[in-house]
Amino acid sequence: DAGVIQSPRHEVTEMGQEVTLRCKPISGHDYLFWYRQTMMRGLELLIYFNNNVPIDDSGMPEDRFSAKMPNASFSTLKIQPSEPRDSAVYFCASSLVASGRLEQFFGPGTRLTVL
Amino acid sequence: DAKTTQPPSMDCAEGRAANLPCNHSTISGNEYVYWYRQIHSQGPQYIIHGLKNNETNEMASLIITEDRKSSTLILPHATLRDTAVYYCISTPNSGYALNFGKGTSLLVTP
Repeated sequence: DAGVIQSPRHEVTEMGQEVTLRCKPISGHDYLFWYRQTMMRGLELLIYFNNNVPIDDSGMPEDRFSAKMPNASFSTLKIQPSEPRDSAVYFCASSLVASGRLEQFFGPGTRLTVL
Repeated sequence: DAKTTQPPSMDCAEGRAANLPCNHSTISGNEYVYWYRQIHSQGPQYIIHGLKNNETNEMASLIITEDRKSSTLILPHATLRDTAVYYCISTPNSGYALNFGKGTSLLVTP
């Protein structure tokens, strides 16, 4: 398996622009997680899905952030409008909780810079 | 979830055992202890987890005290590639949400 795939790997945009980050989880996994990492706040959970349904979005910072999972093999995290404080590395992770194995497998991350 | 406490940084000589401590004095009976690590510029990587008993896998060993208030991750023969930030996390069996905290930055030196 190719592991969790994220795109783009790097994104540079200007304040006010819409940004869409993409994630392909490991095939067959039933949970998908979005995290954000900054120097100040460390690694934070933003939202997670179970079988494509959002379960907990309490970590989403504000209404400018939205996440969707239209099918089991694809998820997006959208920021509209983007702000400089959104600059961070965004990680997607997936796991197969139904198997009893609880570890999360992380993608390589998307480094977002908002100017 | 129980809060964990780790030293911010540690050094270890290459080839020696690296013993990374973690305190989780408020851990509840249904919470597991997980260890992940993050090598620079990469996503976190699962290492090992346990509930009560000591655990060992191809990467590391996990020693949990009898009262479950602390644990130690052991890398038996550290290599330069083990230089990373190591996170100790306690979470219920669901394992759904991981609170990573600050972790321990381990530097393995030649």
